[in-house]
This record gives sequence, structure tokens and C-alpha cells, in this order.
Amino acid sequence: AQSVTQLGSHVSVSEGALVLLRCNYSSSVPPYLFWYVQYPNQGLQLLLKYTTGATLVKGINGFEAEFKKSETSFHLTKPSAHMSDAAEYFCAVSGTGRRALTFGSGTRLQVQP
Amino acid sequence: DVKVTQSSRYLVKRTGEKVFLECVQDMDHENMFWYRQDPGLGLRLIYFSYDVKMKEKGDIPEGYSVSREKKERFSLILESASTNQTSMYLCASSLTRGENQPQHFGDGTRLSIL
Repeated sequence: AQSVTQLGSHVSVSEGALVLLRCNYSSSVPPYLFWYVQYPNQGLQLLLKYTTGATLVKGINGFEAEFKKSETSFHLTKPSAHMSDAAEYFCAVSGTGRRALTFGSGTRLQVQP
Repeated sequence: DVKVTQSSRYLVKRTGEKVFLECVQDMDHENMFWYRQDPGLGLRLIYFSYDVKMKEKGDIPEGYSVSREKKERFSLILESASTNQTSMYLCASSLTRGENQPQHFGDGTRLSIL
């Protein structure tokens, strides 16, 4: 079985500050990892994904994430927050023979002016 | 760009009603999924389908069924709606069998059962 833990259901940062959203996973096999963003009243949009290869993955809107196998982590970062980054972010994992994703509980990012 | 369209953004139904949620994708994707989203719980998989007329139960299938008669359309059915099925329902699709495939989501249906 696989699972995802997102530490912090709410994160608040100032505009221009570093964004760090934490994701830890458990999986019995090498995982595929995803970050999605959900803006109010919308579906989920893919930010980035790790499948194989380079462990530092760059995504859209200036976000990136690093796969650290030894720490079973896939934290999402952005050097400088923008007001438009305010949204809910979901980490997800797949890779144990089930085609569906297993999602974390989500982190709501608030950006203060 | 892949487009996943859910037929209703908001829906209000009464307990005991049979409710149909419809989802259509326009990119010939093999896999389609239904999730429900509740605050603090993230997304939980209800059912998914990997081919026409094929379906598999997800983590919370009780009280739901699905239908996939055509490749592009995947319907979620609440056989007898109950208030604990009030939630946001999200449909998604992905291209192939591979587990490294990202899923593409519709905008969701916010369902209220009164």
C-alpha cells in the first residue's frame, strides 16, 4: 500500500518569500510522484511530476520539487511567492500496480501582501 | 490540450434520489476516474475504468456505481442519494496503462444532498 502525508494543512507566506510545501510518501516500490494545484472552484492542474531520471524536477509557474529517496520526500518549493500562488496544493503518488493516484490531504497556501 | 468536461458544476438533489454525474474527455484516453474531495481528506478514489465496460472499485465505492459504455464518457451513479454523499466530485482521465501518466481533471461537480 502507498500513502502520502502533507505536513501542514495551511501555510502562510509573505509575497516574495520562499514557498516550501512538504510531502512525504510511503511506497513499497520506486514511486511516481506528482504535485497538483487547485484554484478556487476549479479542478486540479498538474504542476510537475517525477517519474525517473533527474531528481530535481521543474514545473510550471516557477515551482520545483526534489525527489529524495533516503528521506521518502518530495517537497515543493518556489523561491519567491506571488499573490497568484494562493491555492490548494496536493501531492500524489502512484507506482504499485494501481493506475489511480493516492493523494495527500492537501495544503492551502495563503500569500500575504 | 486535454479537456475533461463534467456536465454540472453545481447540483442539488434530495435523499433517496438516483443521481447521475456525467464526465466526458476528448483525447481518447484509456483510463477514467471518479474521486470525491472533502476538506481535510484530500481526494479519495471511488471507481476507475481502464476500458469500455471495464471498471474497478476504488477506496470508497459503497453507495456508488459507474458506467462506461463509450470510451469518452464515464458516469458516476448514486443509487439512492444520502446526505453523507454531499461533496465535491472530480472526474479525471489519463492516456495509457502506465502509472507514470499524469491525470487530467475536470472542474468538479459540487453535489448537495438535502
